[in-house]
Amino acid sequence: SFELTQPPSVSVSPGQTARITCSGGALPNQYAYWYQQRPGQAPLLVIYRDSERPSGIPERFSGSSSGTTFTLTISGVQAEDEADYYCQSAGSSGFYVFGTGTRVTVL
Amino acid sequence: QVQLVQSGAEVKRPGASVKVSCKASGYTFINYDINWVRQATGQGLEWMGWMNPDSGNTGYALKFQDRLTITRNTSLSTAYMELSSLSSEDTAMYYCARYYYDSNGYYYGADSWGQGTLVTVSS
Repeated sequence: SFELTQPPSVSVSPGQTARITCSGGALPNQYAYWYQQRPGQAPLLVIYRDSERPSGIPERFSGSSSGTTFTLTISGVQAEDEADYYCQSAGSSGFYVFGTGTRVTVL
Repeated sequence: QVQLVQSGAEVKRPGASVKVSCKASGYTFINYDINWVRQATGQGLEWMGWMNPDSGNTGYALKFQDRLTITRNTSLSTAYMELSSLSSEDTAMYYCARYYYDSNGYYYGADSWGQGTLVTVSS
């Protein structure tokens, strides 16, 4: 079955850059969406359609794609960015499913 | 502002059913799809199903097709998720989320989420 694979964890020092990959997209030319989830909170959309930022999301969050691999980049990581991050993309059924999730730890 | 407010925590016996509500405010309810997503403790997000509140059309993930029902009451701007034949594996936080599509049908992400409803299945 269709699955979006992410690394389980990424560790980064404050001010450095964190990159989270998401691979295994079912179909080419599908967009990725990225969500941040802090402990005890509902997910928050931080990137849509590969690289667009919703209003209120800091510029240090950016996204890119290459084929069926998507990447979320957090530049100049801050302590508040410590959270779980999930990618989302469309499966062959047309429904949007989530990636396996990545825990970002700020050292 | 856009808000999705879910019903409170539930404790159910194995084999029972649970019905969780999601009340929308701050926007026109029938104009945006509602999806349900669950998350077991310490685990990832799992998409369960979808509903178009205008038409009532639904779609379910294969693993839930036999026991998941998503409905709505448009006069109350409320969506409902009912899961039957519960087992301990259904113990999780359940979220409703508004999926935003533009007028051309292009998806822009789940831009608003409920606060979550904890469902505990225990004998």
